[in-house]
Amino acid sequence: VQLVESGGAVVQPGGSLRLSCAASGFTFDDYTMHWVRQAPGQGLQWVSLITWDGRLKYYADSVKGRFTISRDNNKNSLFLQMNSLRPEDTAFYFCTKDPSSNTATYLFDSWGQGALVTVSS
Amino acid sequence: SYVLTQPPSVSVAPGETARIPCGGYKIGSKSVHWYRQKPGQAPVLVIHNDNDRPSGIPERFSGANSGNSAPLTITRVEVGDEADYYCQVWDTDEHRLIFGGGTSLTVL
Repeated sequence: VQLVESGGAVVQPGGSLRLSCAASGFTFDDYTMHWVRQAPGQGLQWVSLITWDGRLKYYADSVKGRFTISRDNNKNSLFLQMNSLRPEDTAFYFCTKDPSSNTATYLFDSWGQGALVTVSS
Repeated sequence: SYVLTQPPSVSVAPGETARIPCGGYKIGSKSVHWYRQKPGQAPVLVIHNDNDRPSGIPERFSGANSGNSAPLTITRVEVGDEADYYCQVWDTDEHRLIFGGGTSLTVL
């Protein structure tokens, strides 16, 4: 299993950014995927999940209405569109995989290396 | 909203047993998972579903879950076990995934 995030950057408050996660080594369209973030020196915070078929999406309260999770199963890719970014969104964003196929068990057996998003003027 | 409580730090001598608490209201009714994160690395799952170990995780790692407490126990602690440890649950009512604040394990 390999998960590779990209798209991290420095962006001004109020700006937008789109993160991508390229997945390989498993049947991507069978697995629920998540985004988890970690501010530098801080703990883990769950951001969002999308089920294997894209039908269900859930968000943390702190990002609801600003972030949108999506996936392209034909391209084995996961995305996170982030709008109205705030300084408190500054963090490493990890793409993570649920261990069970065609269901959601709400835990992670694989993580990417993370993409750094910095929101600063 | 559901909260998981962990102490910021736990210290233990090599060879001793480390117990890392994770508290939450009626946490015994939820499935608890634990992750280990070493500096500069992504987290790694060490315990899932309260007390199941993924392949490659030594038997020294075990979990428990009852009432309002779900501790992680590491026996015969090694210097290589030094890391941050996070407990995690799924809040079924609010459809949110919750992490504890994390505990830094120091092996003296």
